Formats: sequence, structure tokens, C-alpha cells
Amino acid sequence: DSGVTQTPKHLITATGQRVTLRCSPRSGDLSVYWYQQSLDQGLQFLIQYYNGEERAKGNILERFSAQQFPDLHSELNLSSLELGDSALYFCASSVSGQGPPLGNTIYFGEGSWLTVV
Amino acid sequence: DQQVKQNSPSLSVQEGRISILNCDYTNSMFDYFLWYKKYPAEGPTFLISISSIKDKNEDGRFTVFLNKSAKHLSLHIVPSQPGDSAVYFCAALGGGADGLTFGKGTHLIIQP
Repeated sequence: DSGVTQTPKHLITATGQRVTLRCSPRSGDLSVYWYQQSLDQGLQFLIQYYNGEERAKGNILERFSAQQFPDLHSELNLSSLELGDSALYFCASSVSGQGPPLGNTIYFGEGSWLTVV
Repeated sequence: DQQVKQNSPSLSVQEGRISILNCDYTNSMFDYFLWYKKYPAEGPTFLISISSIKDKNEDGRFTVFLNKSAKHLSLHIVPSQPGDSAVYFCAALGGGADGLTFGKGTHLIIQP
């Protein structure tokens, strides 16, 4: 158990719909990262928040957005869903906003499996 | 464009032998490399890392080698154990990219 909690674990929804994925980081971790793993791709970095502020942005679509709340939990909002959005979405957390090599290992949750039909 | 490539989707190794997982990268500006291990229904877990200024890092049964001139790194597991069966992801940090850049993973199967 990494200490990073993601809900829901599985979600099936229709195209055009909107979903929210939730992540609670490890106790004490200020940084939250979101990654997408689709069937034919490795883990793709989407976005990072640090202490409530957006820190870095990766391959995140405009239909997707995220935020980190004062209690440090984070939500990833996916809207106008398409079939290609079906993937495993991972949340990860670390103590600082910089991750390795400063000794701040990034810990991953178990993922939220999204299926768009 | 995949900047971190793991060209072997799967690898089968006999228990007790050495497992060698390979990773190639194209961005010479990456300054840190990591290996993550993932079991089914779990998130990736950090295994071992190496700075770009080093060529070897060892932690127990796990050793990572870095060949900067070839833009290649490898993870050696000796001896391989059944519990090592998992998907292994190579990841890189830096190079102007935000966050970790991952390869697609190699599924290691340890056979008894």
C-alpha cells in the first residue's frame, strides 16, 4: 500500500459524458501528479500540482482539467469523453514538487480504470 | 515521439538466472533515470534510480547500468525470483519535459 488513494477504482461511462477522478495523496505529501496509461502507450504525464498550485503540465487535453484542494486532495475532471479516453488513470504524490533526485520518491496509487462506451 | 523506449514488450527468464531489462532514450538532456515495477491491479512502485553522472547503481539484487554515449540503460536482477514477475517501466526526468517520461514497459516473467 503506497498510501495514495484513488477513487473510483473502475468507472464505465458513455461518450460525451463527464467524470471526476479523485486522489488523496500520502500523508505529508504536497505534490500530486496525474498520469494516463492507455493500452498502446506507456505512462503519459498529464499534470502536476504542488500545494494547491499548478506546477507542471504535460500531455493533458483541453477537455481535461485538474485541481488540488486546500486539504491537498486532487481531482481530475474529464469532459466530452471519447472512446480513446478509455485508460487507466494514475495519481501519484511526493513530498516536494521536484521528485527525484532530491530523494523525494514519487508514490503511485492503484489507478482508476475508465472505460468509455 | 517516444523519448524513452523499451523495445521488448516481454521477457521470460528462468528462476535463479539473471534478468536484463533494456531501455533506450533519445533526449540527451535527461538527467535522472528510474525504474518502476508494477504488479497487476497495483500502481507502479519505485525500484531503483541512477543519476546521469553515474554509470552504475546497485541495490541488493538490482543494478542499473547507464551508458550515456549509447543513450542506453539496463536493469539487472540477480538472481531472479518468482516475485520479480511484473511489468517494469523505465522512466526519465529532465530534458525539458515536465514530470517523468515513461517507456511502455516490459513484462518480465520468471519461470520456475
